[in-house]
Amino acid sequence: QKEVEQDPGPLSVPEGAIVSLNCTYSNSAFQYFMWYRQYSRKGPELLMYTYSSGNKEDGRFTAQVDKSSKYISLFIRDSQPSDSATYLCAMRDGNNRLAFGKGNQVVVIP
Amino acid sequence: DTGVSQDPRHKITKRGQNVTFRCDPISEHNRLYWYRQTLGQGPEFLTYFQNEAQLEKSRLLSDRFSAERPKGSFSTLEIQRTEQGDSAMYLCASSLSSGPYNEQFFGPGTRLTVL
Repeated sequence: QKEVEQDPGPLSVPEGAIVSLNCTYSNSAFQYFMWYRQYSRKGPELLMYTYSSGNKEDGRFTAQVDKSSKYISLFIRDSQPSDSATYLCAMRDGNNRLAFGKGNQVVVIP
Repeated sequence: DTGVSQDPRHKITKRGQNVTFRCDPISEHNRLYWYRQTLGQGPEFLTYFQNEAQLEKSRLLSDRFSAERPKGSFSTLEIQRTEQGDSAMYLCASSLSSGPYNEQFFGPGTRLTVL
């Protein structure tokens, strides 16, 4: 079993829809949870960063962490064509390496 | 531009050749990381430095791979006797060591194709 599971299926949504992405993990030592956005042929850029269980909002983006279920989610409200990218969940324990999911390719159709 | 930079952006080489990539981190960042990303996968950790010291290496980093950060600034990643399985995007990231989050900022990557 991989440390971080992210169903890598592509996702196409119409503009304005809510995008829902999620990851599960197996390592109880993970303390920090992140979502990165990666455009084609670019490096990942940090989108959201959470530490504790609960919700964190930043504009149209909401990150949820449920440590008891080892489950994290990202919601994108009022999706825009510019949100079309690959979204990667990432986690780390007290050390420094990030463990990433496989990523979801999201396409927002105008 | 004050972000992480990587050079070259693309490298095509023949199997068996050696290649070297360079990463320049954000100037005040003392931690530097290397990851590898293959098509359809997330980045996988290879190694990381704090200043010039290489503190952690993944088992993915075979003997053919070597990384250095001689003066605690830029870093190089060398792959000797390249194999077709080495074809991937090699990503560099940097961070501060202080603070609760130690956010890692990624460079644009070096895409390696081994023929």
